[in-house]
Amino acid sequence: DVKVTQSSRYLVKRTGEKVFLECVQDMDHENMFWYRQDPGLGLRLIYFSYDVKMKEKGDIPEGYSVSREKKERFSLILESASTNQTSMYLCASNGGVKTQYFGPGTRLLVL
Amino acid sequence: QKEVEQNSGPLSVPEGAIASLNCTYSDRGSQSFFWYRQYSGKSPELIMFIYSNGDKEDGRFTAQLNKASQYVSLLIRDSQPSDSATYLCAVNLWTGNQFYFGTGTSLTVIP
Repeated sequence: DVKVTQSSRYLVKRTGEKVFLECVQDMDHENMFWYRQDPGLGLRLIYFSYDVKMKEKGDIPEGYSVSREKKERFSLILESASTNQTSMYLCASNGGVKTQYFGPGTRLLVL
Repeated sequence: QKEVEQNSGPLSVPEGAIASLNCTYSDRGSQSFFWYRQYSGKSPELIMFIYSNGDKEDGRFTAQLNKASQYVSLLIRDSQPSDSATYLCAVNLWTGNQFYFGTGTSLTVIP
């Protein structure tokens, strides 16, 4: 069974804190993605990775960085959290058949 | 110009009726087409995907693809209150690993 897990379902952080969101998939997928989802704006791609140590910017990479040291793990880092980064963060992965599977999401609140 | 467009709704149908959800896309290089269902506060879950022109049926769901007209639709037969959710359309191009999502159509099935 397909499984994508995210480290936290809910997070509350303060402005300026460094925030780590982790995503793990057990399907040996090459590609992993980080999105944020906001009401009325839909899913917006932050970063994606098509291989270990490889990363590509998505549509809204500003204020974020990523790390992929192992194939199964893709981390999103908010270097200095700001209130406009309050959002639902969704991790996804896909393999050769190009069907994208999502994790449960992390709802982040930055105060 | 948006890559993928959906009518945001809300779309309301009575229980037992057919719900019809539509999606248009701009890039003729689009290869694969996906429908996701997203309940409030949850992550998107894949309903079905389609690659070829025509219809693809899976239980009460039918996806229809018309590449010449650049639209893909989802029909839900015998709609149930449990089908009430936001439905996201996504496309994947021949080249690259990115997925492009519409902003979703909100469906309410009225008992």
